[in-house]
Amino acid sequence: GQNIDQPTEMTATEGAIVQINCTYQTSGFNGLFWYQQHAGEAPTFLSYNVLDGLEEKGRFSSFLSRSKGYSYLLLKELQMKDSASYLCAVRMDGGATNKLIFGTGTLLAVQP
Amino acid sequence: GAVVSQHPSWVICKSGTSVKIECRSLDFQATTMFWYRQFPKQSLMLMATSNEGSKATYEQGVEKDKFLINHASLTLSTLTVTSAHPEDSSFYICSAETGLGNTIYFGEGSWLTVV
Repeated sequence: GQNIDQPTEMTATEGAIVQINCTYQTSGFNGLFWYQQHAGEAPTFLSYNVLDGLEEKGRFSSFLSRSKGYSYLLLKELQMKDSASYLCAVRMDGGATNKLIFGTGTLLAVQP
Repeated sequence: GAVVSQHPSWVICKSGTSVKIECRSLDFQATTMFWYRQFPKQSLMLMATSNEGSKATYEQGVEKDKFLINHASLTLSTLTVTSAHPEDSSFYICSAETGLGNTIYFGEGSWLTVV
């Protein structure tokens, strides 16, 4: 089976930095995505990593280590609106079809 | 604006009836779309891969006769929940890949409540 694990919940303070980890063991790998999802809404794209290293985009950064099956999402200068679920997803290498398998999701609560 | 549109956004149906949810790609052709289900406070679970012009590929544990998928055109995939039961109540969401770069678009999702 495919295992993609994240902490269930995290709490952080407004203005701080938080790191959300994701570990994966999958039968294939063709990139890792991070999404943000507010309750009752569709996921919105945050970042994509396919090579090892850090990808930075504004307040959000994502890191990937393929050899360790590990990724993290770093959120800086936290804002109240960042309270949401954060989902990592591995894209499986299925030839013509690259399906996404989602992790368990991390519910982040940003407190004043 | 949305590039993948789902309809309806929410639906309430009686137990035993069937419900159809549509997923449309608005500005691109999608030979492949994906259907997910999400229960409250849980992550997205892939149900099936919808392939234009051929049968859908279902994930293990998903009943193909209960969740009928039709991908009759390059811009439309439908998911029909047949003989719905209260335990089928969930948030159903589709996604499609443009084939350009690594962009995957999600529909707005459809809330199904079976009473």
